[in-house]
Order: sequence, then structure tokens, then C-alpha cells
Amino acid sequence: EVQLVESGGGLVKPGGSLRLSCAASGFTFSNAWMSWVRQAPGKGLEWVGRFKSKTGGGTTDYAAPVKGRFTISRDDSKNTLYLQMNSLKTEDTAVYYCTTGSGSSFFFDYWGQGTLVTVSS
Amino acid sequence: QSVLTQPPSVSAAPGQKVTISCSGSSSNIGNNYVSWYQQLPGTAPKLLICENNKRPSGIPDRFSGSKSGTSATLGITGLQTGDEADYYCGTWDSSLSAGVFGGGTKLTVL
Repeated sequence: EVQLVESGGGLVKPGGSLRLSCAASGFTFSNAWMSWVRQAPGKGLEWVGRFKSKTGGGTTDYAAPVKGRFTISRDDSKNTLYLQMNSLKTEDTAVYYCTTGSGSSFFFDYWGQGTLVTVSS
Repeated sequence: QSVLTQPPSVSAAPGQKVTISCSGSSSNIGNNYVSWYQQLPGTAPKLLICENNKRPSGIPDRFSGSKSGTSATLGITGLQTGDEADYYCGTWDSSLSAGVFGGGTKLTVL
């Protein structure tokens, strides 16, 4: 059974940093393209970024609002995906989901339960 | 403002059919696969349709997807009260080099 379990969410002040983790199991993590998707309270889904598998190029892509502030990394030996968030803004407040699915076809068939990040003074 | 445009809400009676549109451009829907997601209140999204019109295992054939040009459509037949949810379309945007979602459509089964 595929499982994605996010952790690391919480309350942080504007300008602060936070690192989210996503522990994966039930599939070959090293072959998976992994993404982060967020959802602000009462709002729609927003793609944050992705880390392609090594065979897919091993590169990252980011949405414009987070580029330069957020960094996605992965440890294939630990089956874990990370999201390092720096220079946080109030508009980054959201539930952050870890997802996986097809890489090049861009769809997500497995989602974590999400972790809430609140940026507030 | 979302790159992909969906109607904010749609409604229909139980047993009826409803369609949800998703409009984009040549840089996203026009040249990339579209996927659709259902999100029930308080839960993570669930994949309904991938690669424009393919249903993952376990998704009933009441749900269908289609694409024409720069628009895509999700169809739901035999509506049930349990279908009340938010629905999102998503795709890759080659110009932005980023994933994009529609703003979401709230389905009400009257």
C-alpha cells in the first residue's frame, strides 16, 4: 500500500523558515517524480514544485511564487522528500500535500494527508 | 487568478448528468495531458481522470474526461449525493515550466 506521510508543519513568523518532510512507502521511491501541492484556507490547489527521479533527469521545477525561496530535495536512501521554505510570507499559509504519480503526463494518483503551515506574527 | 478557468459552481439533481469545463491555452491544455481531481471536505484530493480521459483503477465509469483544443471537460452521470465535492483540473504549462490547476468547481447535488 502506497503511503505518503508529511510532517514538519506549524506556526512560523513572517521571514522565518520551516522544513517539511514526506516519508514514502509502498512503491519504488527512487523511480518516482515527487511534487508538493498546497492549498490555502478556503482556496484551490496550487502546485508548488517537483523533483524528478534520477532517471527522469533528477532536476527540480518550481512555481513562480516560491522560486528562490523554497527548495525541494530528496533522499532516496531514506525514501523521503523535503521542502525547505525560507523567507516565508503570510500568503504561504496553507496545507502542504506531498504527491506522486506519472512524471511526464503530470497527474497525481497518490497524496499524503497534508500538513498545515501557518505564517503569522 | 488561475491559469485554467473553471466555473465556480455547478448543480444538478440526483441521477442527472453534469459537466465541468476547464479552459486554458495552447501552452497548457492545448499541448499537454489534463487530469481531474475530486476533493471531499477535509480530505486530500483524489485522482479521477488522467491523461485527458483515462480512469484509474477503482474510479466508476460514471466519471469521464474529454479534451478538445484548449479546453477539457469532466462529465459525471448518475449523480449521487456523495459526489458533492470540489473538482479541479490540472495540467503542465510549457511556457511557465510549471504545473497549473484550475480554480476549482463546487458541485452541489440538489
